[in-house]
Amino acid sequence: DIQMTQSPSSLSASVGDRVTITCRASQRISSYLNWYQQKPGKAPEFVIYAASNLQSGVPSRFSGSGSGTDFSLTISSLQPEDFATYYCQQSYKTPYTFGQGTKLEIK
Amino acid sequence: EAQLVESGGGLVQPGGSLRLSCAASGFTFSPYWMHWVRQVPGKGLVWVSRIKSDGSSTSYADSVKGRFTISRDNAKNTLYLQMNSLRAEDTAVYYCARDPDLYTSGYYYSYFDYWGQGTLVTVSS
Repeated sequence: DIQMTQSPSSLSASVGDRVTITCRASQRISSYLNWYQQKPGKAPEFVIYAASNLQSGVPSRFSGSGSGTDFSLTISSLQPEDFATYYCQQSYKTPYTFGQGTKLEIK
Repeated sequence: EAQLVESGGGLVQPGGSLRLSCAASGFTFSPYWMHWVRQVPGKGLVWVSRIKSDGSSTSYADSVKGRFTISRDNAKNTLYLQMNSLRAEDTAVYYCARDPDLYTSGYYYSYFDYWGQGTLVTVSS
């Protein structure tokens, strides 16, 4: 199975900050990397597919990059509604696997 | 707007069975791959299973292979997960998710663009 490792596991930041979450795959997965946001008690929501393509309706302050084994999700200017847990997920091959999550908290 | 609503969760004894359903509305169900993903409360997301749009192909995580069966009824716009020989470690919130399997730039991309609200399965004596 492909292992997905996110860093950091948690992150404290302030409104307006620029933050970056990284995700590393245990083998090359081309651009088959997706990002999700999950708030407490809620289902995950889709943010980015194919490493860098923003879901319709997702604010442009979110961006994704990377290919191969190393990927990142950047939020350019944190807003209060962005504080949540973020997961990367590879869809290169089954079993599709998720990173362990990065909890973004308010400083 | 697309909507997915899971049902069928609950408390079951180890070794027991449960069938989850996921009712789809607001979109044409039949062209989409569908998935089940689970999450132990407070923990991360784990992919469980997927099924092709016409039901002709399925895949499972090793942890559920041989015990769980994914299926769908396109006439009823409903996805199912039959769970047998349940174990304590199957305790989780189970989500169904839609997969557009988008074809772009010569490749198919799988991702989960809509999720249900989840249904809790508790395996305990």
